[in-house]
Amino acid sequence: DAGITQSPRYKITETGRQVTLMCHQTWSHSYMFWYRQDLGHGLRLIYYSAAADITDKGEVPDGYVVSRSKTENFPLTLESATRSQTSVYFCASSVEGGGTEAFFGQGTRLTVV
Amino acid sequence: AQRVTQPEKLLSVFKGAPVELKCNYSYSGSPELFWYVQYSRQRLQLLLRHISRESIKGFTADLNKGETSFHLKKPFAQEEDSAMYYCALRGFQKLVFGTGTRLLVSP
Repeated sequence: DAGITQSPRYKITETGRQVTLMCHQTWSHSYMFWYRQDLGHGLRLIYYSAAADITDKGEVPDGYVVSRSKTENFPLTLESATRSQTSVYFCASSVEGGGTEAFFGQGTRLTVV
Repeated sequence: AQRVTQPEKLLSVFKGAPVELKCNYSYSGSPELFWYVQYSRQRLQLLLRHISRESIKGFTADLNKGETSFHLKKPFAQEEDSAMYYCALRGFQKLVFGTGTRLLVSP
């Protein structure tokens, strides 16, 4: 199916474990983004990528790692999960250029216990 | 630095009342401003963008560079407008969002 998909949809993990959230898009969009959504904080940018092998930090990158070896995939890894990383994570993609729309995945609800 | 401020966490109105959701931004370059909406159990989706100067679902937003604002307006709210609204700014590569305003429209 065309579009942008995230997996898993729900994840429960223990403090200290490594966990990877997947994001896949079928449009070959150059830009991809990772956000976390928390009550009172809205959507905060974790990392973004302008193209394959090009990534950069957003507003809240600490504790997260990303990679982008292929244009269509942009996995987000929590190296050692903490309870403060309990959140809903959204991936998005867009083409390059002004005024272009970003398309969002359905989100991953991560709970760290 | 890019920053988006939405001062209201919750806006509650009655059906038929006018609505204005406030958005202010900070950016040193030429900004691209957007409004995104998240309906219950749905994905975040684009509502409108300043570059198009369009009206979507009766909503409009005008970019005021002097006041660095991009407020979202609708003259007559409908119950189906109840949702979470996010103002967003696209600067150099980054796309950043405000904290969001929940709009509740009561019958």
